[in-house]
Amino acid sequence: DQQVKQNSPSLSVQEGRISILNCDYTNSMFDYFLWYKKYPAEGPTFLISISSIKDKNEDGRFTVFLNKSAKHLSLHIVPSQPGDSAVYFCAASETGNQFYFGTGTSLTVIP
Amino acid sequence: GAGVSQTPSNKVTEKGKYVELRCDPISGHTALYWYRQSLGQGPEFLIYFQGTGAADDSGLPNDRFFAVRPEGSVSTLKIQRTERGDSAVYLCASSLTPNYNEQFFGPGTRLTVL
Repeated sequence: DQQVKQNSPSLSVQEGRISILNCDYTNSMFDYFLWYKKYPAEGPTFLISISSIKDKNEDGRFTVFLNKSAKHLSLHIVPSQPGDSAVYFCAASETGNQFYFGTGTSLTVIP
Repeated sequence: GAGVSQTPSNKVTEKGKYVELRCDPISGHTALYWYRQSLGQGPEFLIYFQGTGAADDSGLPNDRFFAVRPEGSVSTLKIQRTERGDSAVYLCASSLTPNYNEQFFGPGTRLTVL
């Protein structure tokens, strides 16, 4: 029973354009959401977080949007750079400790 | 290197054998987490420790899986009577304190059960 879903397994974007990665969840009790970036043979690296009391959090080129009524989360990367090519996971929690991860979206930024 | 380290990086074993996977968290981090990532899936929570005690082990799939953290630092994930379905990458993460803090992940141990 997948509580966090990333329905796009892959995404290709031109360098300099916006990348939008999407994530949906089913558990309305989730109150904390994270995005992680993962390169091959490495562990996931924390990117950005948002709590359910906010609908937007921005950190440099990365912005996360949360739509609680739609149970939808998105990550915007502007402008996209070739070094952003990686697998991106969204994760959600209602306890702040046990996180449920999506299946990931593989982003390729084309130079 | 001050990151989370995991050993071994790769482990190949035969069905029915016992394995131990080790995690060294970032120094000073009180919370430690184990996840399992199967091919094509995201990480799946197994257990988390606050200090020496397992605060939440609800993700352990069955009683063949056990984890310890006797001194509140290094943790060992133990799997008895391994099955082919246990093949996955086992990830460890730590955070300075539990509850809504960033979890820093290690590179994982790839376990293959033949």
